[in-house]
Amino acid sequence: GAGVSQTPSNKVTEKGKYVELRCDPISGHTALYWYRQSLGQGPEFLIYFQGTGAADDSGLPNDRFFAVRPEGSVSTLKIQRTERGDSAVYLCASSLRSRGANSPLHFGNGTRLTVT
Amino acid sequence: AQSVAQPEDQVNVAEGNPLTVKCTYSVSGNPYLFWYVQYPNRGLQFLLKYITGDNLVKGSYGFEAEFNKSQTSFHLKKPSALVSDSALYFCAVRVLRVSTGANNLFFGTGTRLTVIP
Repeated sequence: GAGVSQTPSNKVTEKGKYVELRCDPISGHTALYWYRQSLGQGPEFLIYFQGTGAADDSGLPNDRFFAVRPEGSVSTLKIQRTERGDSAVYLCASSLRSRGANSPLHFGNGTRLTVT
Repeated sequence: AQSVAQPEDQVNVAEGNPLTVKCTYSVSGNPYLFWYVQYPNRGLQFLLKYITGDNLVKGSYGFEAEFNKSQTSFHLKKPSALVSDSALYFCAVRVLRVSTGANNLFFGTGTRLTVIP
């Protein structure tokens, strides 16, 4: 399909481990966002990429979280020394361009992360 | 500060009846408002948006929303509910951060709609 693809769909890890979550945006979409959705909550912004650069990482909760997008397409969200509080669904979204408010965000199905 | 409120955690409606899911917003400047729907184990799907123009916006699957500036509301509506409309609905406001160019979406906490056969 032509939608946003996220892998894995589910990830269970032990406290203290390192995880990587992958997002493959819609082809041609230059803007890419990561959101985190905790149980019973709406998605919360983590980080935004325009092209290869992280233009806004103000939503990352602490320095254990990091994301890259080296070639301006696929992005990887990396979490070090995971904690139980990191358990959530991590959503990726892409859009044609960022400055145009007319471009809706297209979301992937998310990665459900469970830290035990 | 920008915020969105969805005052109802749960809305139940009988199949065939009209439905309304409420949303109010608080933004500085012009609001760009969106509705998304989330089905179980799925990502959010775009339903409709208000940027400017007519206050009544029509979207996917027969949904529409009415922008009311004086009441700062953007309620989602549908004239006749279907059982398949049962899902989690999120209202969101889009805010452009000039310093970074990010067009972030700020979401409400969601409203679970259940359509009863």
